[in-house]
Order: sequence, then C-alpha cells, then structure tokens
Amino acid sequence: DTGVSQNPRHKITKRGQNVTFRCDPISEHNRLYWYRQTLGQGPEFLTYFQNEAQLEKSRLLSDRFSAERPKGSFSTLEIQRTEQGDSAMYLCASSLTSRAGIGYTFGSGTRLTVV
Amino acid sequence: AQSVSQHNHHVILSEAASLELGCNYSYGGTVNLFWYVQYPGQHLQLLLKYFSGDPLVKGIKGFEAEFIKSKFSFNLRKPSVQWSDTAEYFCAVNAGDYGQNFVFGPGTRLSVLP
Repeated sequence: DTGVSQNPRHKITKRGQNVTFRCDPISEHNRLYWYRQTLGQGPEFLTYFQNEAQLEKSRLLSDRFSAERPKGSFSTLEIQRTEQGDSAMYLCASSLTSRAGIGYTFGSGTRLTVV
Repeated sequence: AQSVSQHNHHVILSEAASLELGCNYSYGGTVNLFWYVQYPGQHLQLLLKYFSGDPLVKGIKGFEAEFIKSKFSFNLRKPSVQWSDTAEYFCAVNAGDYGQNFVFGPGTRLSVLP
C-alpha cells in the first residue's frame, strides 16, 4: 500500500452535471478526511469519517455535496448540479490514530474544472 | 474559530540564501502546529510538527520551526535553500488533542533561483 489514492486525477464537467470522486485510503487507516483547495488558498476541511460513520461536516459542505464511506474503506464525494464555484482541487487524507496530525497522509487530489 | 495567516504570498530567493516564512495563528486553547510542503504536481507532505516540549522543532530536509506562544507564531526556517526547495508551503493548526481536522494558512510560494 503506497499511500492515499484518488481518482480521477482531473475531471472536467459542464455546469449542472453531477460528479463523483473516489478516495482509497491507506488500508489500515480508520479515519478519512475530505478537503477542498482553491487556487491561491490552503486546503479547507469539508468532512471526516471514522470507519463508516461521518462524524463532522463543515459548513462549506452544502446540500449539493454528499460523502459516503459505506464499508469503512474507500470513500466517495459527490457534487450534484455543479457550479463554476465548485472548481477546485479536492483532497483526501487518511489517518490511523486519534491523535490529530500523527500519520496523516494526503492523496494527490482530484482537480475539478466546471465549465 | 481558528485561523492561520502566512506573511508572504510569494518569496523569491537565490540558492544558498536563508529562508524564514512567517505563520501566525489565532486560537485561545492548546494547538498543534504543522508545516506542510507541496512540490509541483505532488501531494502535501509533512515537513515538521509541534505538539509540546521544545519549541524549536526540526523537520526533514534541513527545515526547522520555532513556536513562540506569546506571539502565536510558528515560523519556518532553513539556513540555506536549494533549487529543489521550490514549492508551496502551508502552515496548519489543529486544536489540541481532539481536533480532527486542520486549519491551513493560504500558503507561501517559494521560488529558488539556481
């Protein structure tokens, strides 16, 4: 297991379409996080899971966004009715311990472009 | 709410110059502090972290950072930069023992000229 894997690497979609991204964490990690990074900004927290339970959601996660981690392994992030403002890099990270910041590994991200 | 500011948007240095990137945070409680680096086209990588103890923290690739609690600062330093240090640098904080997510600063782009 070489790290956190995200697919696709890049997604171009028309405004109004739905998109879904996938994140495969490091296999033994029980915590999984989603962040969004827009140009010129640092990553912003969206949501996180412990196993299959979604424990926290940021106010940035509007009703058009939904994240799942059905079996406590991979996770999907879906954006419905995409808007141009959704264009960003979507980052996934995973960790094992409850001590925040230890063993926190990021994926390379999915870059979404809404045209 | 926590927030992180980074003093410089873009820093340009020549090789062998010394580096200091500023980071200030606002949060009243116990924090953990981090610096991440993102090389072009690559994922975020941890440079160093501070949880407690010695406020001078050493990280990978010759980087170090100093936590000054009274100034709410966690500045990153390197005595002599290399062209390969060209990257985006992010300061991040996390709230105490139970904070699960990071609050990142806006990042500082470092360009090192050969």
